[in-house]
Amino acid sequence: DSGVTQTPKHLITATGQRVTLRCSPRSGDLSVYWYQQSLDQGLQFLIQYYNGEERAKGNILERFSAQQFPDLHSELNLSSLELGDSALYFCASSPERVSYNEQFFGPGTRLTVL
Amino acid sequence: AQKVTQAQTEISVVEKEDVTLDCVYETRDTTYYLFWYKQPPSGELVFLIRRNSFDEQNEISGRYSWNFQKSTSSFNFTITASQVVDSAVYFCALTGETSGSRLTFGEGTQLTVNP
Repeated sequence: DSGVTQTPKHLITATGQRVTLRCSPRSGDLSVYWYQQSLDQGLQFLIQYYNGEERAKGNILERFSAQQFPDLHSELNLSSLELGDSALYFCASSPERVSYNEQFFGPGTRLTVL
Repeated sequence: AQKVTQAQTEISVVEKEDVTLDCVYETRDTTYYLFWYKQPPSGELVFLIRRNSFDEQNEISGRYSWNFQKSTSSFNFTITASQVVDSAVYFCALTGETSGSRLTFGEGTQLTVNP
């Protein structure tokens, strides 16, 4: 158990809908990262937040957005969903703003868009 | 840009065989960090090892060993006397001074250990 929690574990929805994925980092970790694992793109970095502020952006679609709240939990919002958004979405956390150490990954949220 | 290549998509071995998973990376950073993660069938990502670019010493942890060679830009992972529980997808990943904290992952190698 990494100490990172993600809810829900599974999510099934339809095209055009909007969903919110939630992540709680390890106690004391200020950085939260979101990654997407899909068959087409593999595992890719989406976005990082540090202590409530966006720190780095990767290949995140404009239909996707994220935020980190004062209690440090983070939410990833996916809107106007398409079939290709079906993937496993991971959240990871680390203590630092810039971390070259291990990132601790949550169990993931599996999103299925029908 | 950084890139990680795991050319072996799938490997199948019989229990007790040794197996090596290859990882080749590309980066222009002088300081960079390499990782291996394991993704068992349950789906979570489990950290195995981190190595920085200034430490080329090979590492052994039980049945696992890692060979880091800057000259060939490789960071290979060997499992000795493989076991069924080693069956998983293994990812090599890279980050560095110009990429902040983002991890760049390889495509992964699906390892199946048969009894």
